[in-house]
Amino acid sequence: DVKVTQSSRYLVKRTGEKVFLECVQDMDHENMFWYRQDPGLGLRLIYFSYDVKMKEKGDIPEGYSVSREKKERFSLILESASTNQTSMYLCASSFRTGPIQETQYFGPGTRLLVL
Amino acid sequence: DQQVKQNSPSLSVQEGRISILNCDYTNSMFDYFLWYKKYPAEGPTFLISISSIKDKNEDGRFTVFLNKSAKHLSLHIVPSQPGDSAVYFCAALIQGAQKLVFGQGTRLTINP
Repeated sequence: DVKVTQSSRYLVKRTGEKVFLECVQDMDHENMFWYRQDPGLGLRLIYFSYDVKMKEKGDIPEGYSVSREKKERFSLILESASTNQTSMYLCASSFRTGPIQETQYFGPGTRLLVL
Repeated sequence: DQQVKQNSPSLSVQEGRISILNCDYTNSMFDYFLWYKKYPAEGPTFLISISSIKDKNEDGRFTVFLNKSAKHLSLHIVPSQPGDSAVYFCAALIQGAQKLVFGQGTRLTINP
């Protein structure tokens, strides 16, 4: 059974703080993703990684960075949190190849509030 | 530029009846489509998918239909049950591209 865990379910931070969101998966997946979910906008891809130390920008990378030092762990970093980054953040992982290669498995999400 | 659109933010259906959720896409290069279901305070979970070489895929109470000429897909749930109340996301991709493109989601409410 695939498990994707996220370090926090809820976070409250101040404007300007550096914020780290951690994601760990236990299925040896090559791909890992960070999304944010906002009402009326669906899931928007922030960054993804298809291998250790590899990263690619998604649709809305501004204000974010990522780190993937180990295959199972993918971190999202808000360098200087702003109120417009208040959102639900979802991590996902998937295999790169296989019959259902594009099925992504999601973590439970981190609801971030920036004051 | 929203490449995958779910134009109905919400849908309310009576228990036991059919639920039909719709999704439109603009990129003709998409060749694989998925539906995810999301409960509050949980991450989305994969529900059903369809390749562009098919026009229908069925899994129990869930059936996805694909109309490539109209760039439209739909998810049918028959019969609808209270546990089906959730937000449903349509997603599309170009196989090999690794990235999913999601729609805005439709909140389905099944009334007893």
